[in-house]
Amino acid sequence: DAKTTQPPSMDCAEGRAANLPCNHSTISGNEYVYWYRQIHSQGPQYIIHGLKNNETNEMASLIITEDRKSSTLILPHATLRDTAVYYCIVRVGFFGGATNKLIFGTGTLLAVQP
Amino acid sequence: DAGITQSPRYKITETGRQVTLMCHQTWSHSYMFWYRQDLGHGLRLIYYSAAADITDKGEVPDGYVVSRSKTENFPLTLESATRSQTSVYFCASSSGDTQYFGPGTRLTVL
Repeated sequence: DAKTTQPPSMDCAEGRAANLPCNHSTISGNEYVYWYRQIHSQGPQYIIHGLKNNETNEMASLIITEDRKSSTLILPHATLRDTAVYYCIVRVGFFGGATNKLIFGTGTLLAVQP
Repeated sequence: DAGITQSPRYKITETGRQVTLMCHQTWSHSYMFWYRQDLGHGLRLIYYSAAADITDKGEVPDGYVVSRSKTENFPLTLESATRSQTSVYFCASSSGDTQYFGPGTRLTVL
């Protein structure tokens, strides 16, 4: 799996958009960008994933640059409950065994401030 | 809509005892996984299963045993618990390209 680089921490005001960057300059053509988050003491939660097109769901939007070397996760209206560690992971799409396991880095601690 | 559940949520045991952590999913996902999470190591894969009666080792399988007689259940057994197995254990399941995690079991081995 390609390596990702994320800032260790970020702050965001409640109600504002949170933009979390991720660099993945060595991503391969068949690797997707996945985002998970982990709220303190809970299991990791799937947020969104994409290959090359921008994606949006009820939780967030994912913007992937044209060269696919970086991406941004956008939480449009952050709330206090969005305070968590956010993980950007690049991997092939199919979870078909140990070689396709998720590799969680250190992630970004997003602190949403009231 | 229970999704994926783990039990117990908290467990304290003593060195040398056998402990079984339970994982149950209601989605009929083919793949199930066990991870442990420790400070400084992130999540590490212990075992995974592609289907009932098919299991295989992950990164850190030593000291653990798994079985999967039914699609929905994937128990993890520590045959003789050691202090180094004190950790938070997460079960996950997947039907294709996305893994969904359970709430975790916090295990302390004294």
